[in-house]
Amino acid sequence: EAGVVQSPRYKIIEKKQPVAFWCNPISGHNTLYWYLQNLGQGPELLIRYENEEAVDDSQLPKDRFSAERLKGVDSTLKIQPAELGDSAVYLCASSPGGGDTQYFGPGTRLTVL
Amino acid sequence: GQQLNQSPQSMFIQEGEDVSMNCTSSSIFNTWLWYKQEPGEGPVLLIALYKAGELTSNGRLTAQFGITRKDSFLNISASIPSDVGIYFCAGSTGNQFYFGTGTSLTVIP
Repeated sequence: EAGVVQSPRYKIIEKKQPVAFWCNPISGHNTLYWYLQNLGQGPELLIRYENEEAVDDSQLPKDRFSAERLKGVDSTLKIQPAELGDSAVYLCASSPGGGDTQYFGPGTRLTVL
Repeated sequence: GQQLNQSPQSMFIQEGEDVSMNCTSSSIFNTWLWYKQEPGEGPVLLIALYKAGELTSNGRLTAQFGITRKDSFLNISASIPSDVGIYFCAGSTGNQFYFGTGTSLTVIP
């Protein structure tokens, strides 16, 4: 069974530029999560989807961050414009639902110069 | 968001030694998960626990779901160099997961 797929794996941009990350969850997983992970810290939730509905986006900085999950499968996370402090690893995870477990993708390491 | 208290923050051990780390929370969880993360990779699920008091093993790894549902521990027996990485605990209250701050493990050959 294929795991969670993310792309790109690495991205370097200049501040004020836009950037987008893509995630393909494990087949059949209805719940999809985007996390931010700073160096030396655990993942912090940005947004959670149940199918195509964003059910928890309270931690998403909506002035510059946006996300979508069309058709309840793939998802994209966008930052526009990027700031220096956005440099981090952006992790996507999926779950079959019910909170019993969660699987992560390899992450996208973003560097904002 | 809520953050779990994970200890120790880091460990340096000799190959062959046993390792123990734990995670505590002020909240009750329905599920406890333990992950390992290596540099440049996402966290990989090691063990999932679903019931208070549950003790589960995965090879040399053993984890327990605390009876109060507010804590969990992970033991690694007979450590080997490839055990190096950062170990994270996570607690779930449904579809929401909260993560610990991680335990960095270094195994000295």
